[in-house]
Amino acid sequence: EAEVAQSPRYKITEKSQAVAFWCDPISGHATLYWYRQILGQGPELLVQFQDESVVDDSQLPKDRFSAERLKGVDSTLKIQPAELGDSAMYLCASTDRRGDTQYFGPGTRLTVL
Amino acid sequence: AQKITQTQPGMFVQEKEAVTLDCTYDTSDQSYGLFWYKQPSSGEMIFLIYQGSYDEQNATEGRYSLNFQKARKSANLVISASQLGDSAMYFCAMREGGLGSQGNLIFGKGTKLSVKP
Repeated sequence: EAEVAQSPRYKITEKSQAVAFWCDPISGHATLYWYRQILGQGPELLVQFQDESVVDDSQLPKDRFSAERLKGVDSTLKIQPAELGDSAMYLCASTDRRGDTQYFGPGTRLTVL
Repeated sequence: AQKITQTQPGMFVQEKEAVTLDCTYDTSDQSYGLFWYKQPSSGEMIFLIYQGSYDEQNATEGRYSLNFQKARKSANLVISASQLGDSAMYFCAMREGGLGSQGNLIFGKGTKLSVKP
């Protein structure tokens, strides 16, 4: 069964360092989402791509976060510099052109020390 | 603005019994979708069930059913014959717009379900 892939699964870093997360959506899925989930909360959208274009990045802290999906397939989310408050689970999801169900990857659990 | 409310931070259920997890929502859209996801301790969000706002029948998927009461704006998840593996966080989510809208999901804060043997 097709799945959304994410790496790494876990990342520990010190504040002020740069970190990057990778996501490979289900093959053929045009829409890709990055969510952030703080402990004890539901996920919140950071950025949404349609193919290689950003559809919504209104909640992305652009002073330190960046996201790209250059060829409209896999995507990278970067934080530079990381802050203590960035400790969270970062989830990637994708959906097909019908836009029905979002399927999530296993997530990257980030700890900033 | 959209909002999802899950009022039960934690729930306990005896193995093999049924349990209902509550979810209410708020939207001004006429067309929207409601979802339930399961999140085990490993962190992955697993899709369980979907209900469209225009669907006349309640959605069912195996042991999961969604009790959709549109006038009350509620979309409760019912799990029948609970199993130990059902112990997890459960999130209710809403997407404004009908099929094909590809909007993002708005999530509630979740309910932690614990199944007792």
